[in-house]
Amino acid sequence: AQKVTQAQTEISVVEKEDVTLDCVYETRDTTYYLFWYKQPPSGELVFLIRRNSFDEQNEISGRYSWNFQKSTSSFNFTITASQVVDSAVYFCALSGETGANNLFFGTGTRLTVIP
Amino acid sequence: DTEVTQTPKHLVMGMTNKKSLKCEQHMGHRAMYWYKQKAKKPPELMFVYSYEKLSINESVPSRFSPECPNSSLLNLHLHALQPEDSALYLCASSQDWAEPYGYTFGSGTRLTVV
Repeated sequence: AQKVTQAQTEISVVEKEDVTLDCVYETRDTTYYLFWYKQPPSGELVFLIRRNSFDEQNEISGRYSWNFQKSTSSFNFTITASQVVDSAVYFCALSGETGANNLFFGTGTRLTVIP
Repeated sequence: DTEVTQTPKHLVMGMTNKKSLKCEQHMGHRAMYWYKQKAKKPPELMFVYSYEKLSINESVPSRFSPECPNSSLLNLHLHALQPEDSALYLCASSQDWAEPYGYTFGSGTRLTVV
């Protein structure tokens, strides 16, 4: 079965602090994809990154970086020098053959950046 | 055009009403999805259309009726809803259902059933 766990329900940081959002997943698939989405108060889910199970390279995009470790089934997301505009709910998601390639979301982490 | 457009943005309906939610994309995507998101919960898959054919119905009650008139449009017809159906309804599309290169989501319709 596919499962995504985001243990941090809510996080508050002061602007300019770094913050890491944790994501742990379970799957029996050998080929799978991991995603991060941002959901601001407006409701739209904004795609941030997709990573396939064969690519464990970490990725950096501006202030965002992702650490994928298959050994611990984790796909963590770090925001460096957080800004108020980063305040949102962040979802980690998984898709794979077992779930007919549909997206399974974690429960989300609500990030509040305090000015 | 890299957007998924959903209308209306907000909808209030009575339990005896019939209404429809609309979703449109012009990215040439061949898979389209309806998700339901309750407050403070993750989105949950309702329906998947692949090449305009219903591929997945996740045991959704018949008071929700999806329709895909063409490759760019996806509707969700609502009838005799219950207050617990109040939620954010999200539409999404992807290049292909079998190859999850990433989903593009609309901003959703906030539905309130009174």
